[in-house]
Amino acid sequence: EAGVAQSPRYKIIEKRQSVAFWCNPISGHATLYWYQQILGQGPKLLIQFQNNGVVDDSQLPKDRFSAERLKGVDSTLKIQPAKLEDSAVYLCASSLVITGQGGGYTFGSGTRLTVV
Amino acid sequence: GENVEQHPSTLSVQEGDSAVIKCTYSDSASNYFPWYKQELGKGPQLIIDIRSNVGEKKDQRIAVTLNKTAKHFSLHITETQPEDSAVYFCAASSYTGGFKTIFGAGTRLFVKA
Repeated sequence: EAGVAQSPRYKIIEKRQSVAFWCNPISGHATLYWYQQILGQGPKLLIQFQNNGVVDDSQLPKDRFSAERLKGVDSTLKIQPAKLEDSAVYLCASSLVITGQGGGYTFGSGTRLTVV
Repeated sequence: GENVEQHPSTLSVQEGDSAVIKCTYSDSASNYFPWYKQELGKGPQLIIDIRSNVGEKKDQRIAVTLNKTAKHFSLHITETQPEDSAVYFCAASSYTGGFKTIFGAGTRLFVKA
């Protein structure tokens, strides 16, 4: 099966500019996640969608970050305006499980964002 | 808040030796414990997982153990090979209306040929 697709792979922007990332999950996966991974750290959840509804966005800095998942498939994550501390890899993941039992995620390769 | 602690942060072993990575979690509602391997420039890849009703699981050279009472779980890699060199993340998941997965900080494993 095709994996989780993300674009772009790399992005360099100046602080205060805006940027958008795109994710296409594995076909049929109801749950989609955006994670932020700062160099040398584990992934940190930003937002979780189930179909096109938000399940958890408690860690999303809503003053500058936004995300949407139209029609329950593709998703975009936007940062506006960017800060230096937003430099990180942004990972998208999807999973099939939507019941009370945990299941593994399939991650995309990520977008490496550098804010200068 | 809930967290997952992972040790060691760096591990260097000789090819053929075993490697052990340990994690502890704080959320007693956690019931699913996956392990991910991340190679340079790639996203994390699920390599093995264990559920709370199981104490041990093995898949070829890798095994995971879980001690729910102590809130500890460990990854064991036997007969290590250079291609095992990567960053390994443990994670703990709970379900309270929606999934919540907390990742450890990662262990960078070097396997010397």
